[in-house]
Amino acid sequence: GAGVSQSPRYKVTKRGQDVTLRCDPISSHATLYWYQQALGQGPEFLTYFNYEAQPDKSGLPSDRFSAERPEGSISTLTIQRTEQRDSAMYRCASSSGPNNEQFFGPGTRLTVL
Amino acid sequence: ELKVEQNPLFLSMQEGKNYTIYCNYSTTSDRLYWYRQDPGKSLESLFVLLSNGAVKQEGRLMASLDTKARLSTLHITAAVHDLSATYFCAVAPFNYQLIWGAGTKLIIKP
Repeated sequence: GAGVSQSPRYKVTKRGQDVTLRCDPISSHATLYWYQQALGQGPEFLTYFNYEAQPDKSGLPSDRFSAERPEGSISTLTIQRTEQRDSAMYRCASSSGPNNEQFFGPGTRLTVL
Repeated sequence: ELKVEQNPLFLSMQEGKNYTIYCNYSTTSDRLYWYRQDPGKSLESLFVLLSNGAVKQEGRLMASLDTKARLSTLHITAAVHDLSATYFCAVAPFNYQLIWGAGTKLIIKP
């Protein structure tokens, strides 16, 4: 695609529910990143993929968070048993390689009630 | 501890004035990025600085990098209202993982 897209743009859920966020990167990009951004702060790294491999998931806050990219293109970020502290903007970015400039999607605003 | 500190965090200035935003970082990094974020919008890449002494300019914005001092600056010349946004710097000490500053919220008044 022309740019990175994410869906949904907004998600409101109740505490304890599972949510899945989707990222569709720029089509030629091998590398995909997930970030969490709290209001008024810079993004914080969660995990990244190089094609379908996930070399680093050290930024995932807990084992309730998981991410997939099974075919090396679209990725999903799943949060199980959501908690209020999970409320944030979740941003996806992609790049042509791990060392290259990252292009960001519009983000998914998650609110856990 | 890895730290990226931006200074100032908030800046209100008049159109036509010049100002500089500073980005200090605590670890070695061979790349530094500047991004712009408009309210409710995504992050837009402005500059990628790849080496010591690198300087890049785009319109009224100029970014520079001093890797020895671990310092980057974003200079705004003759500010205009359209430059109002939040500006983030980020470094890449582990290649793929960007470590971000907290952002500088810039408001330019007519």
